[in-house]
Amino acid sequence: GQNIDQPTEMTATEGAIVQINCTYQTSGFNGLFWYQQHAGEAPTFLSYNVLDGLEEKGRFSSFLSRSKGYSYLLLKELQMKDSASYLCALFHRDSNYQLIWGAGTKLIIKP
Amino acid sequence: KAGVTQTPRYLIKTRGQQVTLSCSPISGHRSVSWYQQTPGQGLQFLFEYFSETQRNKGNFPGRFSGRQFSNSRSEMNVSTLELGDSALYLCASSSSGTQETQYFGPGTRLLVL
Repeated sequence: GQNIDQPTEMTATEGAIVQINCTYQTSGFNGLFWYQQHAGEAPTFLSYNVLDGLEEKGRFSSFLSRSKGYSYLLLKELQMKDSASYLCALFHRDSNYQLIWGAGTKLIIKP
Repeated sequence: KAGVTQTPRYLIKTRGQQVTLSCSPISGHRSVSWYQQTPGQGLQFLFEYFSETQRNKGNFPGRFSGRQFSNSRSEMNVSTLELGDSALYLCASSSSGTQETQYFGPGTRLLVL
């Protein structure tokens, strides 16, 4: 199967660091996406990991480990505007090039 | 470039009716994907169109259909609406397919009474 699991909700403090995990069960895939979705808005692209390792983009970093079957999104120096849902999605050629989406993690930032 | 646009933004229908939603992709994008999103659920893939052809289809009943025109604009139709069809319907465009970054429209929020 290609189930994707994410925590439903997380809470963090402004200025802190938070790690949002995404675990999956699949025999192989092409790449893993992270999207951000503010309440009532459309998802917006954050990152795409193809190779194992950490990719950094400013305050946001995304990590992938194929051997361990997980990815995480790391958010540093949290700001109130980071309150949103974070969705991970797998691109798998055996799914006829459909993206398989996790249910998303709602991140709440407190002052 | 203008972003992905969807019309209408909000819609209220009653059970048994049908509805047509429209999506205009980013200029030059040939792939349009449709998703259903309900509270607590991830994005559920409906279908993807590329160059006027349905290339991929998710696990939705035949009441859900779509099409794409020569200018890449796409429409999605839901017939015989059910209460469970109440959701946010998102379309996303990309240059050549879901293996690339997708750009989402603002969505159409459908309420079925």
